[in-house]
Amino acid sequence: GNSVTQMEGPVTLSEEAFLTINCTYTATGYPSLFWYVQYPGEGLQLLLKATKADDKGSNKGFEATYRKETTSFHLEKGSVQVSDSAVYFCALSLYSGGGADGLTFGKGTHLIIQP
Amino acid sequence: AAGVIQSPRHLIKEKRETATLKCYPIPRHDTVYWYQQGPGQDPQFLISFYEKMQSDKGSIPDRFSAQQFSDYHSELNMSSLELGDSALYFCASSSFTSLGTYEQYFGPGTRLTVT
Repeated sequence: GNSVTQMEGPVTLSEEAFLTINCTYTATGYPSLFWYVQYPGEGLQLLLKATKADDKGSNKGFEATYRKETTSFHLEKGSVQVSDSAVYFCALSLYSGGGADGLTFGKGTHLIIQP
Repeated sequence: AAGVIQSPRHLIKEKRETATLKCYPIPRHDTVYWYQQGPGQDPQFLISFYEKMQSDKGSIPDRFSAQQFSDYHSELNMSSLELGDSALYFCASSSFTSLGTYEQYFGPGTRLTVT
């Protein structure tokens, strides 16, 4: 089956520190990969995506590169802010025709940024 | 921009009662997904619909059923509620993009509490 493994937190960093959240996956086909962010009490927001090998998704200073050879999609940001504190989910989806399959999520990483 | 609408936002039911959750997708999105997120857990995919037909099925209990209507809104019906059904229920919608992918956009969720 499909699965996503990501580092579990909480991850605590100081403001302006460099962030890496590791994510690896297993999939029965060629998945699309996503990072979603969830702020307290809110729904999930799509942060970035990549659809094929070597694609780099980026948004709001966050980046992740689709590495097929290592089946990874690590999230990075050069300088984090207090407002980045949230739970981050790595996810994958396969397209089997007539609408994409449901997302398979990792367990989520709780990121805490201290001023 | 229009987002996914879910109603109600909060719902309190007693054990063995029935609940109906509603989801209104982003206009022109043809696929709807339902997810369940327990406290501190990652979202678990329940079921999806593409053009009003069931598209993919995840870990949806037999006590739950769902459908998508002609106006593309969807309803999740939950019967014989159990304490363990207390969770956040998210609806997401998507459509095929020019990149050949589906990007799922999530609603704010319905918080169901079973007492």
